[in-house]
Amino acid sequence: GAVVSQHPSRVICKSGTSVKIECRSLDFQATTMFWYRQFPKQSLMLMATSNEGSKATYEQGVEKDKFLINHASLTLSTLTVTSAHPEDSSFYICSATAYLAGGTGETQYFGPGTRLLVL
Amino acid sequence: AQTVTQSQPEMSVQEAETVTLSCTYDTSESDYYLFWYKQPPSRQMILVIRQEAYKQQNATENRFSVNFQKAAKSFSLKISDSQLGDAAMYFCAYRAPSANSKLTFGKGITLSVRP
Repeated sequence: GAVVSQHPSRVICKSGTSVKIECRSLDFQATTMFWYRQFPKQSLMLMATSNEGSKATYEQGVEKDKFLINHASLTLSTLTVTSAHPEDSSFYICSATAYLAGGTGETQYFGPGTRLLVL
Repeated sequence: AQTVTQSQPEMSVQEAETVTLSCTYDTSESDYYLFWYKQPPSRQMILVIRQEAYKQQNATENRFSVNFQKAAKSFSLKISDSQLGDAAMYFCAYRAPSANSKLTFGKGITLSVRP
């Protein structure tokens, strides 16, 4: 299978500070990664599509200056929450697109998520 | 725009019994992909099953199978011989055929399994 990791798994920070979350594809290369935000008992909300070597594509309503995305290599994308505030507290999940052997085609695999708490 | 609807917010099943989770979608595409993902309390999203729209045969993965009705735009998940570990939130998702397309998720359904 395809494995995606995220770091850190949990972070607590003070209001006004910036937090960086890393998303790595461990056993495959991913030209495209996705960043989601999820509130308890709710569905995943896509924030942006991260493309290796180019600018991210943000969904409507997502502040690109607040949620900085960098996809510098085929195995790493980062999400930086700048000047975090309590309302940014949430669960952030990344996914990466993998093409697996056996003709299963293109499938998104998810990282374990990062729980962000802004005090 | 594509939409995915999961109208049941919660369901419950007795251990060892069978349960079916419903999902409908809307799209103008003729070729696309459909998925069911499971999110247990750990919140790790796990791929349960995948269906290509051009395939008439319903996908199966061990105790999990789908009933894909393309004309009705329906994609239900059947879990046979339910186990306690099946308790989770289940999301139905749609993806357009173009490479690296995003997933459109339904609201999810919380499945509980009674021992």
